[in-house]
Amino acid sequence: AQRVTQPEKLLSVFKGAPVELKCNYSYSGSPELFWYVQYSRQRLQLLLRHISRESIKGFTADLNKGETSFHLKKPFAQEEDSAMYYCALSGGSNYKLTFGKGTLLTVNP
Amino acid sequence: KAGVTQTPRYLIKTRGQQVTLSCSPISGHRSVSWYQQTPGQGLQFLFEYFSETQRNKGNFPGRFSGRQFSNSRSEMNVSTLELGDSALYLCASSLTGGLGYTFGSGTRLTVV
Repeated sequence: AQRVTQPEKLLSVFKGAPVELKCNYSYSGSPELFWYVQYSRQRLQLLLRHISRESIKGFTADLNKGETSFHLKKPFAQEEDSAMYYCALSGGSNYKLTFGKGTLLTVNP
Repeated sequence: KAGVTQTPRYLIKTRGQQVTLSCSPISGHRSVSWYQQTPGQGLQFLFEYFSETQRNKGNFPGRFSGRQFSNSRSEMNVSTLELGDSALYLCASSLTGGLGYTFGSGTRLTVV
């Protein structure tokens, strides 16, 4: 079974502070992991995926297979980062995304 | 290029009715998935189609069905609507499935 846990429903930080959104997963095989973001009144959009090992909008995420985690980090939060963030897992060839419940990030001025 | 287009944007239906939602994927994308989003359950996978074949199905009752056409456009149908079917229904497309999906804006279904 695939499961994704985002332990924080809400996260509030000040502008310029570091931010870390936590994601833990459960999957017996080799997962593909993603972070999706939904800004206010916009559609869900892909932020980054672990396979690309990229940095988007200053965000990075490292897959830790030992801790089964895929935490999203940014060293200096900006007000425009305020959004709902979803961690998602795809289990190889089952062609489905399992989402966490999401974390609402608020960056205060 | 055009994104994933879902129609209609909003729907109000009565209990017991049926409804059909439509999704046009990004040109060239052959995989189309559907998700239900509710405040309580979050985002839940409904089904995924590739080249007109359903490759996976989520844990939803048989009242929820879908299909994909030869041009990759997809429809989902919900029969005998229940109040609990009120949700935002999202469609997502991908070239072949996996490696990240592009989502549409969704169809908000309200069952009264």
